[in-house]
Amino acid sequence: NAGVTQTPKFQVLKTGQSMTLQCAQDMNHNSMYWYRQDPGMGLRLIYYSASEGTTDKGEVPNGYNVSRLNKREFSLRLESAAPSQTSVYFCASSFSNQPQHFGDGTRLSIL
Amino acid sequence: AQSVTQLDSHVSVSEGTPVLLRCNYSSSYSPSLFWYVQHPNKGLQLLLKYTSAATLVKGINGFEAEFKKSETSFHLTKPSAHMSDAAEYFCVVSGARQAGTALIFGKGTTLSVSS
Repeated sequence: NAGVTQTPKFQVLKTGQSMTLQCAQDMNHNSMYWYRQDPGMGLRLIYYSASEGTTDKGEVPNGYNVSRLNKREFSLRLESAAPSQTSVYFCASSFSNQPQHFGDGTRLSIL
Repeated sequence: AQSVTQLDSHVSVSEGTPVLLRCNYSSSYSPSLFWYVQHPNKGLQLLLKYTSAATLVKGINGFEAEFKKSETSFHLTKPSAHMSDAAEYFCVVSGARQAGTALIFGKGTTLSVSS
């Protein structure tokens, strides 16, 4: 009963390094999402993929890229990490506009 | 455009007393509304959802919420708090039909429960 699996759970990077966060879901959902969570800000959408082969920007896409590798997997890439990208990143999936199911998050610190 | 405002950033209750977490929304569409809970170092779990059926929605763990269109509110309640209810709670609105841009999160309310 895995649901949404994110790897890694924790990561520390130096400014300028690159990193890919991985997300996989086993619920056959068509839509997948990446959010970041910062204290007092709630969750903010970075990118989403409404279906396999499509991706679109959310509220805060700058500094990130995504790849919808197949129906199960949706990765988030930081090409040149900045301290402002220190955050907790959540991946979610759903059927179209149905409630989203979330992973346990990746805690990313950029020094 | 949709927006959601959680009126309290922090609520403290004693175990066994009622819980009230307040949420107001704004939506150009007939909205779908959700409450999610986040326990420390965990992802978000859906508590309940309103999708234009009954205005009183029952969720998991004894929580319920009432949709009041005239007040544009969707407050979350529980008759008797338990220590395990201590967590962060998010009110979420969805009004648009397309995926991705549809969910707007409130900034969250931290619920503390004392014994």
